[in-house]
Amino acid sequence: EIVLTQSPATLSLSPGESATLSCRASQSVKDYLAWYQQKPGQPPRLLIYDASKRATGIPARFSGGGSGTDFTLTISSLEPEDFAVYFCQQRTSWPPGTFGQGTKLEIK
Amino acid sequence: EVQLVESGGGLVQPGRSLRLSCATSGFTFDDYAMHWVRQAPGKGLEWVSGISWNSGSFGYADSVKGRFSISRDNAKNSLDLQMNSLRTEDTAFYYCVKGTFPDYRWYFDVWGRGTLVTVSS
Repeated sequence: EIVLTQSPATLSLSPGESATLSCRASQSVKDYLAWYQQKPGQPPRLLIYDASKRATGIPARFSGGGSGTDFTLTISSLEPEDFAVYFCQQRTSWPPGTFGQGTKLEIK
Repeated sequence: EVQLVESGGGLVQPGRSLRLSCATSGFTFDDYAMHWVRQAPGKGLEWVSGISWNSGSFGYADSVKGRFSISRDNAKNSLDLQMNSLRTEDTAFYYCVKGTFPDYRWYFDVWGRGTLVTVSS
């Protein structure tokens, strides 16, 4: 089973700053990685798939990068609504469709 | 608008059974895989089970294999999860999730609001 490790566990930033979240896989997942955003009391929302492709309706300030085992989600110029928990997920090896443990992006 | 509405959650004793259902609308149901993903309160996400567009392939997490069974009815645009021999560690919100492809081994692009399953004596 592929293990996804996200870092940091918590990231404290201010609106307007840029955020970089990391997801590391225990073995190569090629570029088959997605990112999801979850706000309190809501289900997750797909942001990025195939490492760098934005899902429908996702603002351009969200960008994904990386391949193989190391991936990043970058949010440029944070908006108040961006403070949430972010999960990565791989689709290379099933079952299961593993998720990372999440990074909480909080307001500083 | 794509809508996924789960039902069937509740409080159940360990060892008992529960059946979750998901009613869908707003998309061509039999073009896509469907999944159940769960989240214990305050915890991370765990994929539970997925099924391809035509029920030809499906998978389960090791934690539920042999106890849970996924099924879909393309005529009714619905997805079910039969949960047997429930354990306290199955307590979670269960989300019905639409896949991004006909095969289930892809991503998850639309999520329901979830239904809470509590396993406790």
